Amino acid sequence: DAKTTQPPSMDCAEGRAANLPCNHSTISGNEYVYWYRQIHSQGPQYIIHGLKNNETNEMASLIITEDRKSSTLILPHATLRDTAVYYCIVRVAAGANSKLTFGKGITLSVRP
Amino acid sequence: DTGVSQDPRHKITKRGQNVTFRCDPISEHNRLYWYRQTLGQGPEFLTYFQNEAQLEKSRLLSDRFSAERPKGSFSTLEIQRTEQGDSAMYLCASSLDPITEAFFGQGTRLTVV
Repeated sequence: DAKTTQPPSMDCAEGRAANLPCNHSTISGNEYVYWYRQIHSQGPQYIIHGLKNNETNEMASLIITEDRKSSTLILPHATLRDTAVYYCIVRVAAGANSKLTFGKGITLSVRP
Repeated sequence: DTGVSQDPRHKITKRGQNVTFRCDPISEHNRLYWYRQTLGQGPEFLTYFQNEAQLEKSRLLSDRFSAERPKGSFSTLEIQRTEQGDSAMYLCASSLDPITEAFFGQGTRLTVV
């Protein structure tokens, strides 16, 4: 699987949008971009995924650049409960390499 | 059934003992994954099953580790002759297919003393 690069940490103010960047410059055409987050002492939680088009759900929006070499996860109105480690993962859809490969992620701290 | 269930949540064992963890995936999820996570690191892949077939094993899974999913439902992960380096959080996840999201359990925290 292609590797991803994320800054180690960032913070934002409660109520503001949190924009979490991810670089995946070696992504292949059949690889999806997934985002998970992990709140302290819990298992990872799925947020969103996409292939080429921008995606939005009740939790977040995913913006993928046209060349697919980077993406941004947007939490539109961050709350204190969004403080967590966020993992950006690229993954093929099927076959032997379809597992999720986690890096260190980015630690988001939402301040009051 | 509202999620992936793991048992026990915590396990303390003496070095050299064997331990077994259980994972109950979401019903009808045919893919089941095991991960290990140490402090400050992201989860590391150990192995995964599609139904009862174990399709991939990480090199992290030494001969002391074995996983089974005998009927394609629950899975067990056994560690024989535990070592202090085995201390970690062991996470299980399941998914319906390769594309849809994987749901993780709360994990089993193993401490080897």
